[in-house]
Amino acid sequence: AQTVTQSQPEMSVQEAETVTLSCTYDTSESDYYLFWYKQPPSRQMILVIRQEAYKQQNATENRFSVNFQKAAKSFSLKISDSQLGDAAMYFCGAGGYQKVTFGTGTKLQVIP
Amino acid sequence: DGGITQSPKYLFRKEGQNVTLSCEQNLNHDAMYWYRQDPGQGLRLIYYSQIVNDFQKGDIAEGYSVSREKKESFPLTVTSAQKNPTAFYLCASSIIPGQGAPQQYFGPGTRLTVL
Repeated sequence: AQTVTQSQPEMSVQEAETVTLSCTYDTSESDYYLFWYKQPPSRQMILVIRQEAYKQQNATENRFSVNFQKAAKSFSLKISDSQLGDAAMYFCGAGGYQKVTFGTGTKLQVIP
Repeated sequence: DGGITQSPKYLFRKEGQNVTLSCEQNLNHDAMYWYRQDPGQGLRLIYYSQIVNDFQKGDIAEGYSVSREKKESFPLTVTSAQKNPTAFYLCASSIIPGQGAPQQYFGPGTRLTVL
């Protein structure tokens, strides 16, 4: 069984500033993967970044990076140099060998 | 272009009617999934399939049915037994997790409204 918790229903950030979205998870699987997806107003789900749990190095994709703390079961997303186009719902997901479980999402507002 | 298509984008049905949502992918993925999205509840898994002619219930399967007769197709039927079917439905596909990271590719979604 897997659970994913996003404790911040809404966040806001000034344009060009940095924001961190929190995610904690629990899983009984020994091999698993973690994801952050973005859902803009169009409602199309877009993969932002993924992390293989067996890798110690934190994943990065341009302005997006994660802080993966395996022992604490924490997987936060940092967005640097925030842009207006980053405004969206962000979903954290944890997946093993059968399915991915998603959190309830964080709505990010970017203030010009 | 490879991708996932869902049709229709908007669907209206009368209460008590069954309705089938279409999902097709040309990514050659073995695994396919159906999610339901409601405000404040994130994505909840309805059904998933990792191989043709086989599928498993997710967390909220009651009132739904699926079939997987072809690798490319995974239609979802919302039956009259589903008590609150109005929602946004997302279909996704991925490689089999044992073959690598099970990153999910999503379709554009179908908004179902039951009147």
